[in-house]
Order: sequence, then C-alpha cells, then structure tokens
Amino acid sequence: EDQVTQSPEALRLQEGESSSLNCSYTVSGLRGLFWYRQDPGKGPEFLFTLYSAGEEKEKERLKATLTKKESFLHITAPKPEDSATYLCAVLGYSSASKIIFGSGTRLSIRP
Amino acid sequence: EAGVAQSPRYKIIEKRQSVAFWCNPISGHATLYWYQQILGQGPKLLIQFQNNGVVDDSQLPKDRFSAERLKGVDSTLKIQPAKLEDSAVYLCASSLAGGGRAADQPQHFGDGTRLSIL
Repeated sequence: EDQVTQSPEALRLQEGESSSLNCSYTVSGLRGLFWYRQDPGKGPEFLFTLYSAGEEKEKERLKATLTKKESFLHITAPKPEDSATYLCAVLGYSSASKIIFGSGTRLSIRP
Repeated sequence: EAGVAQSPRYKIIEKRQSVAFWCNPISGHATLYWYQQILGQGPKLLIQFQNNGVVDDSQLPKDRFSAERLKGVDSTLKIQPAKLEDSAVYLCASSLAGGGRAADQPQHFGDGTRLSIL
C-alpha cells in the first residue's frame, strides 16, 4: 500500500534560520512526487513535481530534492511570509494508484 | 486566468440532513477532482473525473456520497445523509491534461467548502 509520512509535524524557525522538511514515501514505482503549500483557509498551491531520484527543483527560497525513499524541501533564509503548511503527495504507477497526500508540516517563521 | 470556484464557503447542517457542494474548474481543464480534508490531515481523494466520465471513485463512500460532472465542466458533490465524521473541508481541484498524463499535471485547487455537522 502506498504511504507518505511527513516530519516534523510542526516547525518554528526564526527569520533567516534555514531548515529542511522531510517526506518519506513507500510506493510501487514512483510516477511523481508533488509539493504543495497551503495557507489557512485556502486550498493547496502547487510548488514542484519531482519524477526521479537525484532530481532537484528550486523556486525562490525553496529547493526540493528527491531520493528513492524520501524528498526534502529545503528552505533557505526564510521570511515570515513563508509560514504555511507544506504538503507532500505521491503517485505510483500501479493501476490501483491514486495520489496520496501526507499530513503536512506546519511551518512558522518568527520575525 | 480565473481560478477554481467553489460554493458555498461554509455550511452548517445537522446529522442526517443532506448537503451539496458546487465546483467550477478552470476553463479548459479536462480533469476534476474532489478531496476531503479533515482538520490536521492532508487531502484525501474522493473522486476523479476526466471530462464527464469517472476515472476513480474507489474512496468515495457510495452509500452516502454522490458526484456528477455534467457536460464535462462544473461538478456537484452531494452527501445524503450526513454523519458527524463528514465534518471536513471539501476541496475541488482541476488539471489541464486528460488521458494518461492527467495524474502528472499540477492540480489547481479551490479554497474549499468547510462543512460542520451538528
């Protein structure tokens, strides 16, 4: 059964303090791993898709990386506006696969 | 480009009552999804449409939930009768591609309907 586990559940950082969020996954043949950002009261907003181990993608202060078992979302010199819940989702190749989201990491950046 | 529109934003009903949610996807998007997001959890896929056909409804509780996408554009999700455990945010999303590439495409989400069951 496909599974996604995100850690930590919550993370509080000082502005400018870099860190990483983890997404561990189990899937029978990875078709894609997705990162989304979700603000309170809003729907998730797409950030990245990663397809194969070794792939990296960047957007402003965010960089996503992928291995065969996990993905990291690195945030460099975060600002208060980066505060949000970050969701990871995976999709496998099997015919029974459907997109599965993790429970997210609540990131809070203090000024 | 207008985003995914959902209504209502909030709904409060008593258990055993019925409720319906509406979604209008981004124009031209072939694939439409409905998700249930319980507080503190990630979204859980309920049903996926491609144009007006159902691709996946394996996680839809069919004894009480139903969904349709007439004419391959907007969609409604209905719960009848509602249970306490149905309290959640119901999210609609759409993606551009159809066919085998639909799952790879970024999904664009609406802001959801927050349902409270008393």
